[in-house]
Amino acid sequence: AQSVTQPDIHITVSEGASLELRCNYSYGATPYLFWYVQSPGQGLQLLLKYFSGDTLVQGIKGFEAEFKRSQSSFNLRKPSVHWSDAAEYFCAVGTGYTGTASKLTFGTGTRLQVTL
Amino acid sequence: DAGVIQSPRHEVTEMGQEVTLRCKPISGHDYLFWYRQTMMRGLELLIYFNNNVPIDDSGMPEDRFSAKMPNASFSTLKIQPSEPRDSAVYFCASSLDSPPGDEQYFGPGTRLTVT
Repeated sequence: AQSVTQPDIHITVSEGASLELRCNYSYGATPYLFWYVQSPGQGLQLLLKYFSGDTLVQGIKGFEAEFKRSQSSFNLRKPSVHWSDAAEYFCAVGTGYTGTASKLTFGTGTRLQVTL
Repeated sequence: DAGVIQSPRHEVTEMGQEVTLRCKPISGHDYLFWYRQTMMRGLELLIYFNNNVPIDDSGMPEDRFSAKMPNASFSTLKIQPSEPRDSAVYFCASSLDSPPGDEQYFGPGTRLTVT
């Protein structure tokens, strides 16, 4: 079964600084990878996803992520953080199967705090 | 579209009572998911439906939990009887196409507190 690890529970960065959130996955084949963001009191919103092709994926709100098969990682980056980026970020992995094998597995999340 | 709608947004109930959570997916979406989010266990998929049919309910914690989708625009998650350990935020999500490839759109969640 697939699994996801987000090693950083909480990260604090200054506004304007760069950001990298780590995500490591475990899955035997090429995974489907996602980053979602959850603002306080809200549901999750998709930032970006990777299925195949170019390993550098661009998403909404200026975020990007890079798939590195050799490291089983899919880290999320942003060159300059804005105060409105403060939220919780979830990495998720899914298989390419349909039906009962197609569930998404989410990491435990990284809470981002942005200082002014 | 108004997005995924969940009701109620907050529910406080006493142990042993029946709780019903409701979800209206985005019109035209064929897949509906129920998730539970807790500090200890994170975000867990409980069950998902395709065209109103349950596909995978392996995440449903025990027989006290049941979910139905009587039509394409409505689903319920019922807990009977409720217990304090059921306290969590319950999310409903829907997607147009099959998981995991298609984006899942999440509702705002129902925060359940069982005392």
